Amino acid sequence: NAGVTQTPKFQVLKTGQSMTLQCAQDMNHNSMYWYRQDPGMGLRLIYYSASEGTTDKGEVPNGYNVSRLNKREFSLRLESAAPSQTSVYFCASSPTKNTGELFFGEGSRLTVL
Amino acid sequence: TQLLEQSPQFLSIQEGENLTVYCNSSSVFSSLQWYRQEPGEGPVLLVTVVTGGEVKKLKRLTFQFGDARKDSSLHITAAQPGDTGLYLCAPRESGGSNYKLTFGKGTLLTVNP
Repeated sequence: NAGVTQTPKFQVLKTGQSMTLQCAQDMNHNSMYWYRQDPGMGLRLIYYSASEGTTDKGEVPNGYNVSRLNKREFSLRLESAAPSQTSVYFCASSPTKNTGELFFGEGSRLTVL
Repeated sequence: TQLLEQSPQFLSIQEGENLTVYCNSSSVFSSLQWYRQEPGEGPVLLVTVVTGGEVKKLKRLTFQFGDARKDSSLHITAAQPGDTGLYLCAPRESGGSNYKLTFGKGTLLTVNP
């Protein structure tokens, strides 16, 4: 049972480089989310997609872009990485946009030098 | 924007002890979820509470939703090393856009054998 799959699991970037974090879910969920987790800050929502074809900003969207490629896939792009974006990134999905449980991937650890 | 507090931030106890962690806010919640996150993994849902005053039990874990739906607690009886992890509360506010699930900063629990 794959659930939510994130790639890559680890990545080191230099300041100014770009990269895309990939996320795919095989549970036919409507809603997908990207969070970042930093020590002492908890999980903060970057962007979410309530349903296929829609995306909206979360709490900390600056420096990121997202694409809901189809119902399964939701990618997060860093156009010009900064050290402040060093974090662990989690993708999650939910069957509904209002009350459903969030299913998380295992996370992607990103370091920006 | 709700002010969400989890306490304590850190808790280290011996196996067999009881403990309670708290999630408090100034806002009224339509529902609240508790998640547990183990090192290197994404959070996993433990429970969802919906009704004010609701109590739910999951083996040795007891979850309570405040009567006014502004707070919640998690009580663990006879803690075991397997209970070690980061406990996160995630409420949904009443009204407005509730697509976005906000997480508290969590309580990091260590249960020593």
